[in-house]
Amino acid sequence: QVQLQESGPGLVKPSQTLSLTCTVSGGSISSGFYFWSWIRQPAGKGLEWIGRIYTSGSTDYNPSLKGRVTISVDTSNNQFSLTVTSVTAADTAVYFCARDEDWGSQLAYWGQGILVTVSS
Amino acid sequence: EIVLTQSPGALSLSPGERTTLSCRASQSVSNNYLAWYQQKPGQAPRLLIYGASNRATGIPDRFSGSGSGTDFTLTISRLEPEDFAVYYCQQYANSPWTFGQGTKVEIK
Repeated sequence: QVQLQESGPGLVKPSQTLSLTCTVSGGSISSGFYFWSWIRQPAGKGLEWIGRIYTSGSTDYNPSLKGRVTISVDTSNNQFSLTVTSVTAADTAVYFCARDEDWGSQLAYWGQGILVTVSS
Repeated sequence: EIVLTQSPGALSLSPGERTTLSCRASQSVSNNYLAWYQQKPGQAPRLLIYGASNRATGIPDRFSGSGSGTDFTLTISRLEPEDFAVYYCQQYANSPWTFGQGTKVEIK
């Protein structure tokens, strides 16, 4: 059973770069054909899909983040990462990493989430 | 971008009751690539339904999904105490993937 765990700083200053890592256990990130996604949720609000990276390395991002997002894979450490540049208070949220299933792109596996606060 | 609108925003119900949650899409969701998730406070969302009507692994059969095109529903046939939570629909047919704003099911 695949498990995901987010890690990274819980506090980022405005205008700086947010960097998070999702560590995958229970399977190799480079095997199979999966989408590895990031989703975020501001406190008390709904879910926003940020973007995804395919096993092949191709990426797809939500245009709402206006080109500030990069998702990459580190196969040697069985991790994938998220960076968001030029952050503002609006980027304060719980960030989740997730993976789809063998038989479809529904998000079946989720990390527990990590709260990132943007504040000086 | 496909906009998903969920209704109602909140429901107050008693254990044992039946409920139906609605999710309407701004355009047709191809291949019925529509999922439902349950989220409890402080937890990650849990996949309940995929492909509009298929229960995910380990999901009790009191949860069922239906619909196609632009109109989808999640039905809980008999509410158990652990079912009081927020429910989200999500389309994964078109990029960007989008979520509805959620329906909160509260205990009356």
